[in-house]
Amino acid sequence: EIMMTQSPATLSVSPGETATLSCRASQSITNNLAWYQQQPGQAPRLLIYEASTRATGIPARFSGGGSGTEFTLTISSLQSEDFAVYYCQQYSNWPETYTFGQGTKLEIK
Amino acid sequence: QVQLVQSGAEVKKPGASVKVSCKASGYSFSAYYMHWVRQAPGQGLEWMGRINPYSGATKYAQNFQDRVTLTRDTSISTAYMELSSLTSDDTAFYYCASGNDFGPTWLAPWGQGTLVTVSS
Repeated sequence: EIMMTQSPATLSVSPGETATLSCRASQSITNNLAWYQQQPGQAPRLLIYEASTRATGIPARFSGGGSGTEFTLTISSLQSEDFAVYYCQQYSNWPETYTFGQGTKLEIK
Repeated sequence: QVQLVQSGAEVKKPGASVKVSCKASGYSFSAYYMHWVRQAPGQGLEWMGRINPYSGATKYAQNFQDRVTLTRDTSISTAYMELSSLTSDDTAFYYCASGNDFGPTWLAPWGQGTLVTVSS
């Protein structure tokens, strides 16, 4: 089973600054990675798919990078609505598996 | 617009079963896998399984293999998740989420979630 490890567990950043979140896969997943944002009391929302493609309606300050086993989500010019929990998720074909990371809580510093 | 609407909150006793529905609108229901994801209170996301609405074929996560059943009714664009032999550890939000192809992909959109509470 492919394990996904996110770091850090909690990240404290000031509004207007840049946050960088990390996600590591236990084996290569090429670019089969998505990022989600979850606000308190809400369902997750897709931000990034295929490691670096922004979903429809997602602001350009969100960017994804990486391939293989190391991935990042960068959020620039942090706004108040960006403080939330972020999850990475891998989706693999051989065998078909889906695994989420444990999440990173982005909080206001 | 593309939307998934889930059934309402449930309260069940230990040992019982629960069945949650997820109605899709705004797209061709049979075109994409439908997934189910669980989130216990204050915890992360856990993939439970998926169904191919076109064929009815399913794949389940190992942790749920023996207790979960995914079905669908294409005539009303609705997917169902049934979880049996409930314990207090099954108290959680349950989400449906659409894939974006046949085969492993990202999940979007998501339903609003259904809270299942297991309590004696």
